[in-house]
Amino acid sequence: DSGVTQTPKHLITATGQRVTLRCSPRSGDLSVYWYQQSLDQGLQFLIQYYNGEERAKGNILERFSAQQFPDLHSELNLSSLELGDSALYFCASSPNSNGRTQETQYFGPGTRLLVL
Amino acid sequence: SQKIEQNSEALNIQEGKTATLTCNYTNYSPAYLQWYRQDPGRGPVFLLLIRENEKEKRKERLKVTFDTTLKQSLFHITASQPADSATYLCALSGSARQLTFGSGTQLTVLP
Repeated sequence: DSGVTQTPKHLITATGQRVTLRCSPRSGDLSVYWYQQSLDQGLQFLIQYYNGEERAKGNILERFSAQQFPDLHSELNLSSLELGDSALYFCASSPNSNGRTQETQYFGPGTRLLVL
Repeated sequence: SQKIEQNSEALNIQEGKTATLTCNYTNYSPAYLQWYRQDPGRGPVFLLLIRENEKEKRKERLKVTFDTTLKQSLFHITASQPADSATYLCALSGSARQLTFGSGTQLTVLP
């Protein structure tokens, strides 16, 4: 158990809908990362937050957005869903003492999203 | 463009042998490299981190080497066991702040 929690575990929805994925980092970790993993794309970095602020952006679509709240939990919002958004979405956290150096990341169990 | 390649999609070896996985990269100058293990349907789990000024790192039956001249890392599992069967991912840090993961090598250790 990494100490990172994600809810829900599974999500089935229809095209055009909007969903919210939730992540609670390990106690004390300030950085949260979101990744998408699909069969053909591998593990793709989406976005990083550090202590409530966006720190780095990867291959995140404009239909997707995220935020980190004062209690450090994070939410990833996916809207106007398409079939191709079906994937495993992972959250990871790290201590990131200064928010700039990359350290070991601890991954949650993931949310499996199926868009029908 | 930056690219990470892991030697093969799948690797089968006999129990007790040493498994060697390769991670090659281009157009990167990584400060460090990490190896993760991922089991089906689960999140990656950190195994080892090696910095650019380190040649080799060990942890129990695991060994990682990092050759910045060859732009290559080798990941070894000695005395492999069926429980080592999983997908192994290498990840690099670059000038950007995020880790970039390779596509992984699926290792199967046959009893």
